[in-house]
Amino acid sequence: DQQVKQNSPSLSVQEGRISILNCDYTNSMFDYFLWYKKYPAEGPTFLISISSIKDKNEDGRFTVFLNKSAKHLSLHIVPSQPGDSAVYFCAALYTGTASKLTFGTGTRLQVTL
Amino acid sequence: GAVVSQHPSRVICKSGTSVKIECRSLDFQATTMFWYRQFPKQSLMLMATSNEGSKATYEQGVEKDKFLINHASLTLSTLTVTSAHPEDSSFYICSANFRGGLNYGYTFGSGTRLTVV
Repeated sequence: DQQVKQNSPSLSVQEGRISILNCDYTNSMFDYFLWYKKYPAEGPTFLISISSIKDKNEDGRFTVFLNKSAKHLSLHIVPSQPGDSAVYFCAALYTGTASKLTFGTGTRLQVTL
Repeated sequence: GAVVSQHPSRVICKSGTSVKIECRSLDFQATTMFWYRQFPKQSLMLMATSNEGSKATYEQGVEKDKFLINHASLTLSTLTVTSAHPEDSSFYICSANFRGGLNYGYTFGSGTRLTVV
């Protein structure tokens, strides 16, 4: 039962343009969401997060939007740079319990020149 | 910031032998650490939650006798893959929870590529 899904396994975007990565979840108990970037053979690195009490959080080129009613979040990267090419995972957790992260399936982003 | 060190980064072992992977929190105490496994082109699957001073909590379908977890101190958790088989070949990642940090303090190690031949 995949509670966090990223329906696009891959995405290709031209340098300078906007990258939009999507994530859907099914468990309404999740109240905190995170985005991680991962290179091959490395551990994930934290990018940005959002609490369920907000609908938007921005940090530099990265913005995360949360639509609770649709159980959907998205990560916007503007402008996209070649160094952004990696696999992006969204993750969710319910802060009220043991706080286990549930990861999505990942989206491979390729930023082309 | 919170740093998690994982060792070794890469290991090749013969089928039937055991392999130990270490996960250390370098500048903070971690009462809870998490062990994940990632197959190629797949998501990170939580294997178990390692609790300092007590038994680990395993996720459904994970064999606790095969994947031994020890969390003997507040800065070290180890995962031992016992009697390894080729199907255990995977990328293993640990994570430590740094309470009070930003983003709920989930910091990941750099991972261990295990290849069983």
